[in-house]
Amino acid sequence: SYELTQPPSMSVSPGQTTRITCSGDTLPKKYAFWYQQKSGQAPVLVIYDDNKRPSGIPERFSGSTSGTMATLTISGARVEDEADYYCYSQDTSGNPWVFGGGTKLTVL
Amino acid sequence: EVQLVQSGAEVKKPGQSLRISCKGFGYTFTNYWIGWVRQMPGKGLEWMGIIYPGDSDTAYSPSFQGQVTFSADKSINTAYLQWSSLKASDTAIYYCARPPSPGVHGPFDSWGQGTLVTVSS
Repeated sequence: SYELTQPPSMSVSPGQTTRITCSGDTLPKKYAFWYQQKSGQAPVLVIYDDNKRPSGIPERFSGSTSGTMATLTISGARVEDEADYYCYSQDTSGNPWVFGGGTKLTVL
Repeated sequence: EVQLVQSGAEVKKPGQSLRISCKGFGYTFTNYWIGWVRQMPGKGLEWMGIIYPGDSDTAYSPSFQGQVTFSADKSINTAYLQWSSLKASDTAIYYCARPPSPGVHGPFDSWGQGTLVTVSS
């Protein structure tokens, strides 16, 4: 089955920039999406179509792709950005959709 | 305002059946796919599959095909996730979610609050 690979954990100091990567064979052909999930809450979409930001998502969140890698960048991380981050995309067949394993981001 | 409201927490024994629900408010329920996502304790998100309430068309992740059943009652704007025989490994939070546009599978931008299912003898 199709897989998206993320680092399990990362840490960043407040105000610094961090980049969370997601590797998948179909990312050159399929859009990447990114979700933020804070403890005890439902996920929130922070990036769609590789690099677009939904209304209400701070500008410090940005997305990019290069080949088989998608990247979520948080520029000037804040303590409230501490969360689990998941990439999300599709297999080339269109189904199923797949989440990456998630990256636990610590801001301290 | 779009809202997905899920049924409450459940505690069941192995072998029992269960159906949990997800009711949509604030939009035309039959025009949007509804997805189901599992999150086992302390683990990541897993895409289980989707259902189109307009005609009950479904697509299951291979990992969940045959293990669960999706259904929908469009007369009451409600989607369901059902198990015929629960296992302890079904213990998880289950989310329903909806894409932003009608007729597309994803991504999901509206989520229910989650239903905790606990299966224990």
